[in-house]
Amino acid sequence: GDSVTQMEGPVTLSEEAFLTINCTYTATGYPSLFWYVQYPGEGLQLLLKATKADDKGSNKGFEATYRKETTSFHLEKGSVQVSDSAVYFCALSDQSNTGKLIFGQGTTLQVKP
Amino acid sequence: NAGVTQTPKFQVLKTGQSMTLQCAQDMNHEYMSWYRQDPGMGLRLIHYSVGAGITDQGEVPNGYNVSRSTTEDFPLRLLSAAPSQTSVYFCATVGGATRYEQFFGPGTRLTVL
Repeated sequence: GDSVTQMEGPVTLSEEAFLTINCTYTATGYPSLFWYVQYPGEGLQLLLKATKADDKGSNKGFEATYRKETTSFHLEKGSVQVSDSAVYFCALSDQSNTGKLIFGQGTTLQVKP
Repeated sequence: NAGVTQTPKFQVLKTGQSMTLQCAQDMNHEYMSWYRQDPGMGLRLIHYSVGAGITDQGEVPNGYNVSRSTTEDFPLRLLSAAPSQTSVYFCATVGGATRYEQFFGPGTRLTVL
């Protein structure tokens, strides 16, 4: 079945460092790909999305490119801030149109001043 | 608009007790889902609904029941609580221009003793 694999955390960075969180997926067909962010004590919020190959999703300085050839959707940010500390989830939605999402296990990011 | 609301925020049960987690949305979204979040396992789909009167099982449905009598409400019932059901539960709806963006409620933290 479909699945999403994320790099293990926690990831600890200093402020202004470059961030990469790896995400790879296994799916049949052409899934849509998402990054969600969960701040402490809150629910998940959509961070960015890409619905077809080579699309680049971007929001709040974060970017991810849908790479079908490597089945990847890595999250990047050029300069992280303390306020970016959160748990990041990669997810895919298949084409069944049921609204189901398959999530990776989440990666905790800690940014230190 | 309140978006997606969940009640209660916290709940402690004893093994064998039953309870219902409430979820309501005012966005007129057709699709609704219940997930559970456990450390290191991301979010796993329990049940989902593609519209009033239609529900289906997700990845981890055992021990849970759902019904969808209205578009707005999607309650999750624990029939006989077990310690393995200790988790954080999130309700989500699907909507937005792409029809794939999920909107999450704030979550219910459940502890089963």
